[in-house]
Amino acid sequence: GAGVSQTPSNKVTEKGKYVELRCDPISGHTALYWYRQSLGQGPEFLIYFQGTGAADDSGLPNDRFFAVRPEGSVSTLKIQRTERGDSAVYLCASSLMGPTANTGELFFGEGSRLTVL
Amino acid sequence: GQNIDQPTEMTATEGAIVQINCTYQTSGFNGLFWYQQHAAEAPTFLSYNVLDGLEEKGRFSSFLSRSKGYSYLLLKELQMKDSASYLCASLDSNYQLIWGAGTKLIIKP
Repeated sequence: GAGVSQTPSNKVTEKGKYVELRCDPISGHTALYWYRQSLGQGPEFLIYFQGTGAADDSGLPNDRFFAVRPEGSVSTLKIQRTERGDSAVYLCASSLMGPTANTGELFFGEGSRLTVL
Repeated sequence: GQNIDQPTEMTATEGAIVQINCTYQTSGFNGLFWYQQHAAEAPTFLSYNVLDGLEEKGRFSSFLSRSKGYSYLLLKELQMKDSASYLCASLDSNYQLIWGAGTKLIIKP
């Protein structure tokens, strides 16, 4: 597709369950980012991939969160043993060459809204 | 610590001009971004400044003063569709974006 695609757009789950969120970046974009955003707040950085490798995972809140990008394109954010505090919109963004390029402009997906009951 | 400050909410009238201010304190600096985010939608890129001065792009302009740690986004000839949140983000020394909480702009007829 032309833009960043995220699925599911909405996910409601119960506390303690496992969740996977998928991101399909713009074709050819080597950099991929995961953020989460709560209402009235700016995006909170989680992890950044350059190609297949996680270049910076310092934003992952704890070891229940994990992300992969095995072929350097699609990425999956995995959350184990979900907690109510994990409820947020999870945004994926991609950029052509990563933040050290001229502008590092990010193209965001529509987000996956996660609700943990 | 790292900090981005911008007003929580602003109100302006259709056809008028509004300036949204942002101050930043980050470890290192590699540029300042402004993004627009409509309710329940993804942020979209508006501008990037790394040098001091004003960058004009149609009805929107963005200004940066590195010495003051200050930026503003100027919106002219406001339209109802400009009602959105405007996010300021600073690129720090690790090339990580540090985001403000956003300024909700309400446009009244």
